[in-house]
Amino acid sequence: QVQLVQSGAEVKKPGSSVKVSCKASGGTFSSYAISWVRQAPGQGLEWMGGIIPIFGTANYAQKFQGRVTITTDESTSTAYMELSSLRSEDTAVYYCARKVRSVLENWFDPWGQGTLVTVSS
Amino acid sequence: SSELTQDPAVSVALGQTVRITCQGDSLRSYYASWYQQKPGQAPVLVIYGKNNRPSGIPDRFSGSSSGNTASLTITGAQAEDEADYYCNSRDSSGNQVFGGGTKLTVL
Repeated sequence: QVQLVQSGAEVKKPGSSVKVSCKASGGTFSSYAISWVRQAPGQGLEWMGGIIPIFGTANYAQKFQGRVTITTDESTSTAYMELSSLRSEDTAVYYCARKVRSVLENWFDPWGQGTLVTVSS
Repeated sequence: SSELTQDPAVSVALGQTVRITCQGDSLRSYYASWYQQKPGQAPVLVIYGKNNRPSGIPDRFSGSSSGNTASLTITGAQAEDEADYYCNSRDSSGNQVFGGGTKLTVL
């Protein structure tokens, strides 16, 4: 059974960067996709991008292109999401989730517990 | 368009049936998945594919799809079903999109 455990809450200054980790246990880490989804306070879910460790190439939502970098470390079964040039609007809970995909569908299961990133001067 | 549209709020009487809908062009080509989120918690997958429930999800949850609309139906809603529900699908580029979410109130 796959479990995803994320790093702890962060407080960052505007203009800085944050790097959130997501450690997987169970399953074969390199073969499944990891996505990052964020949720601003009181708002809905927003997909940021994803990566398949065995391929190593990430794809990103257009909104975050140039600001987000998703990577993996197969030796520790850990995925990372780094967001740069932080602004107050980036204050949100950031989730990692395993994406499972077939021809006509995909789904996210399980999810990490979430990491609150607060951007404040 | 890669947007998914949900009603912001829906209510249902305890024990009754409620349908939560999700509309979008991508649903003509791909199935939706559905997530339940309770306050302060991570989302939980409740329906995926044509109509599949993960282990541990009660069989009162079911999914269906027609044209550009996907639906999540709760038959015999319980108090513990009160939550936000989100649909998700992919577009032809492989990008993911979530609906805006529906807040379900069980009366």
